[in-house]
Amino acid sequence: EAGVAQSPRYKIIEKRQSVAFWCNPISGHATLYWYQQILGQGPKLLIQFQNNGVVDDSQLPKDRFSAERLKGVDSTLKIQPAKLEDSAVYLCASSSTSGSSYNEQFFGPGTRLTVL
Amino acid sequence: SQQGEEDPQALSIQEGENATMNCSYKTSINNLQWYRQNSGRGLVHLILIRSNEREKHSGRLRVTLDTSKKSSSLLITASRAADTASYFCAVPHPMDTGRRALTFGSGTRLQVQP
Repeated sequence: EAGVAQSPRYKIIEKRQSVAFWCNPISGHATLYWYQQILGQGPKLLIQFQNNGVVDDSQLPKDRFSAERLKGVDSTLKIQPAKLEDSAVYLCASSSTSGSSYNEQFFGPGTRLTVL
Repeated sequence: SQQGEEDPQALSIQEGENATMNCSYKTSINNLQWYRQNSGRGLVHLILIRSNEREKHSGRLRVTLDTSKKSSSLLITASRAADTASYFCAVPHPMDTGRRALTFGSGTRLQVQP
């Protein structure tokens, strides 16, 4: 079974530039998450999708961050414009909705963003 | 602050020794999960313990949960150099009525010396 795919793996940009990350979840997983992990900290949820609808985006800085999952499969996360404090690893995860509601999450390798 | 907090922040042991990490959380939960993260990689799910369970085993891993103290521990027995990683506890996100999104602690960085 293929895992969660993310691209790019690394990205370096100047502040005020824009950047986009892509995620392809495990086939059949209806729930998709984007997390931000700052160095030395645990992942922090940015947004959660159920199919193509948003379940929770309460911690997404909506003035600069946006995310979409138009067809309920792939997802993109965009930052525009980027700030220095956005330097972090952006992790995508997915989980199944079948069976138990206590579903483990499967994580992609992440995209390491450096904002200069 | 995040709901799950691990202790200690860092731990260094010799191969073959046991490693114990603790996690405290703030609100009522229906489950608690532990994840491992190798340097530069994504997180890997290790074990899930439900609120009605007190202890759970998986291979060399032993997890306990004390809901009265709002705490959990992860024990890795007979550690190996390959166990070197960061370990995170995760509890359901307070805002998530779907009981799927997770809030992670800051992690314990485990170093196993060969």
